[in-house]
Amino acid sequence: AQSVTQLDSQVPVFEEAPVELRCNYSSSVSVYLFWYVQYPNQGLQLLLKYLSGSTLVESINGFEAEFNKSQTSFHLRKPSVHISDTAEYFCAVSDHTGTASKLTFGTGTRLQVTL
Amino acid sequence: SAVISQKPSRDICQRGTSLTIQCQVDSQVTMMFWYRQQPGQSLTLIATANQGSEATYESGFVIDKFPISRPNLTFSTLTVSNMSPEDSSIYLCSVRTESPEAFFGQGTRLTVV
Repeated sequence: AQSVTQLDSQVPVFEEAPVELRCNYSSSVSVYLFWYVQYPNQGLQLLLKYLSGSTLVESINGFEAEFNKSQTSFHLRKPSVHISDTAEYFCAVSDHTGTASKLTFGTGTRLQVTL
Repeated sequence: SAVISQKPSRDICQRGTSLTIQCQVDSQVTMMFWYRQQPGQSLTLIATANQGSEATYESGFVIDKFPISRPNLTFSTLTVSNMSPEDSSIYLCSVRTESPEAFFGQGTRLTVV
């Protein structure tokens, strides 16, 4: 079984400042890692994913995350945030058992960007 | 990828009644998943629905309370039965295709009064 820990429930940050949302996972097997974003009153959208290969993955809107196996972490970063990045961010993990494998979510981090 | 449509998007229901949520996918998928997101909380998996067989429920969820149908490879329903205010949540349908990531519907926001 896997578990995900998002230590920060809320992260307030000013616009154009950098941000890091932390995610640590626990698993006895190899995993896939994901970040999902949930904007107010919307469903979940995939932000980025780590499946294999390069440990640094990037999204189209400037976010990046780095898979660190030794630290069992998958922290999400953005060098300069915008007001529109205000949302709930969920880290998730699954094993490699195919389409039947379950996603385990962290408790979420609310990113609040202000002027 | 997959595009998922959920209906209704929101509803306000009286306690003791039932609500059926529909989930339609634009492609055939083997597994469909139903999640609950209680206010201010993360997602909790309710059950996994495989076409042609009974759904598999997670600990704490039972078929009598959350019956699920999966009549074909593109459609599923979740019923929330005998509702109480504690059932007020967002209910999300999810699928996985050949790629490992999951795709989600927009969710159904349920308020029980």
